Amino acid sequence: GQSLEQPSEVTAVEGAIVQINCTYQTSGFYGLSWYQQHDGGAPTFLSYNALDGLEETGRFSSFLSRSDSYGYLLLQELQMKDSASYFCAVKARYDKIIFGKGTRLHILP
Amino acid sequence: EPEVTQTPSHQVTQMGQEVILRCVPISNHLYFYWYRQILGQKVEFLVSFYNNEISEKSEIFDDQFSVERPDGSNFTLKIRSTKLEDSAMYFCASSASTATYGYTFGSGTRLTVV
Repeated sequence: GQSLEQPSEVTAVEGAIVQINCTYQTSGFYGLSWYQQHDGGAPTFLSYNALDGLEETGRFSSFLSRSDSYGYLLLQELQMKDSASYFCAVKARYDKIIFGKGTRLHILP
Repeated sequence: EPEVTQTPSHQVTQMGQEVILRCVPISNHLYFYWYRQILGQKVEFLVSFYNNEISEKSEIFDDQFSVERPDGSNFTLKIRSTKLEDSAMYFCASSASTATYGYTFGSGTRLTVV
């Protein structure tokens, strides 16, 4: 089977740093990506890791450990607009991405 | 910035009726996808499409579903006989190639089956 596990909810304070973890078990693996989705909106691509290590894009960073089947998304200098759901997603085939159940990020002022 | 366009934004249909959801992918993209998201749940893969044929489909994508690229710009998802459990947000996505890291998603069609 295929499974991606991530926390259902995370709460953090504006200006702080938050980490959202993801573990996966899939029959194929090309890479791990992260998507942001605001209520009523479409998933928006944030980052992708094909190899082990940290990828940084502005305030967002993503990490992958293929040997541990584990990755995380790190959000720094949190802003209220970062309140959204965040999905980890595995590229399980060259033509298929499988999403986790999503982590709802609540940001407190 | 190029975007994926979906119409309609919301469709209400009676159980048993056929619906067609429409998508215009980004013009130079070659790979097209449909996903669905039941309210409050995860985004589920339905089907991928390349070179005018299905390249991969999920267990959800049974005989009631079909996809088509009727012309050079549109990509459609048809549900032949809708069920109550088909009520969901349906997202179309596209990518330029299989090497593309991320998909570009449309804003979705909310399908309500009554």
